[in-house]
Amino acid sequence: DAGITQSPRYKITETGRQVTLMCHQTWSHSYMFWYRQDLGHGLRLIYYSAAADITDKGEVPDGYVVSRSKTENFPLTLESATRSQTSVYFCASSATGISRLFFGSGTQLSVL
Amino acid sequence: GQQLNQSPQSMFIQEGEDVSMNCTSSSIFNTWLWYKQDPGEGPVLLIALYKAGELTSNGRLTAQFGITRKDSFLNISASIPSDVGIYFCAGVPNSGGSNYKLTFGKGTLLTVNP
Repeated sequence: DAGITQSPRYKITETGRQVTLMCHQTWSHSYMFWYRQDLGHGLRLIYYSAAADITDKGEVPDGYVVSRSKTENFPLTLESATRSQTSVYFCASSATGISRLFFGSGTQLSVL
Repeated sequence: GQQLNQSPQSMFIQEGEDVSMNCTSSSIFNTWLWYKQDPGEGPVLLIALYKAGELTSNGRLTAQFGITRKDSFLNISASIPSDVGIYFCAGVPNSGGSNYKLTFGKGTLLTVNP
């Protein structure tokens, strides 16, 4: 189906483990984004990408790594998960930049 | 960095009532956006505003870009049960640098009693 999909939907992991969250979009949008959503903080930008092989840090990038070898995929990796990274993670894409984002359904990550 | 103050934090209303919520900031924004998030889903764009003073409607929803460029409001008329959810304002700051750092408010939780 067309759209933006995230996987897994739910993930439980332990501190120190590496975790990769996947994001795939079928619109060929140039721009892709990763946000985390936490109570009291709202949505905060982790990383974004303006095109394949172009990525940049957002507001809270520490502890995260991204790559974008193909336009349609934008995986987010937690290199060594910490409890503070327990959150709901949203991937988003856009054809025109920041003003018209399409969000995925999110990945709920728990780090024990 | 820029912050958005969204109010109220939550609202509990009866079906059929009108709803109003707003976002304010001490900083100037070039674009104001309103999103709705249903439980277990990602936010969905409702309305985008690009010019100071702009008033835009989307069905029962109406939003305005404040003249000072430091605020925006969203009105929902004749609320229905499916309006339940969290409403977020978001803005693109006028400050220099990246155009991709959208600032989000903390949301207004709307509950509609049938």
